[in-house]
Amino acid sequence: DAGVIQSPRHEVTEMGQEVTLRCKPISGHDYLFWYRQTMMRGLELLIYFNNNVPIDDSGMPEDRFSAKMPNASFSTLKIQPSEPRDSAVYFCASSFLRTGEENTEAFFGQGTRLTVV
Amino acid sequence: AQTVTQSQPEMSVQEAETVTLSCTYDTSESDYYLFWYKQPPSRQMILVIRQEAYKQQNATENRFSVNFQKAAKSFSLKISDSQLGDAAMYFCAFRSYNTDKLIFGTGTRLQVFP
Repeated sequence: DAGVIQSPRHEVTEMGQEVTLRCKPISGHDYLFWYRQTMMRGLELLIYFNNNVPIDDSGMPEDRFSAKMPNASFSTLKIQPSEPRDSAVYFCASSFLRTGEENTEAFFGQGTRLTVV
Repeated sequence: AQTVTQSQPEMSVQEAETVTLSCTYDTSESDYYLFWYKQPPSRQMILVIRQEAYKQQNATENRFSVNFQKAAKSFSLKISDSQLGDAAMYFCAFRSYNTDKLIFGTGTRLQVFP
């Protein structure tokens, strides 16, 4: 498997524009996580899905943020409208359903560096 | 709600020496998983070591070991014989046994000097 694939790697957009980040999890994984990384807050969990269903979106900062997982192989994180304070690196990660001691770790994509000017 | 705290934003160590990175967490659960991930400048997230809360024995992976103190809710990472390639951001993480939610701390940037 190619691992978790995120696109684009870099995104520069103007304030007020809509931004869509994409993620393809590892085939067969049951969980998908979206994180935002900043210097001040480290890795913040935004939302996570189990079998395409959102389980906890309490980390989504504002209504401007939305995430979907229409099928097991694709997820999007959308920001509309974008603001300069949304500038960060956004990571997607996936994992299997945990089975005892196995499959407890999450595998990460390379991240998308978003810059809103 | 669970939280993970890394109180050392930056640490430094000389090559071949030993360094310990601190992590504390808060949870009301008795079963959970703890992890240390390494993030080099490439941004890749690499699993370094994991610990199951029900295991009393501290996990070890080559030069990396943890000191897991469940009562104190402490999970520190010890890197022995530090190498230049160990320079990276290190994140401590907690995974709930009940919900599978995976949360991270703010990270510790480790510098290794020759």
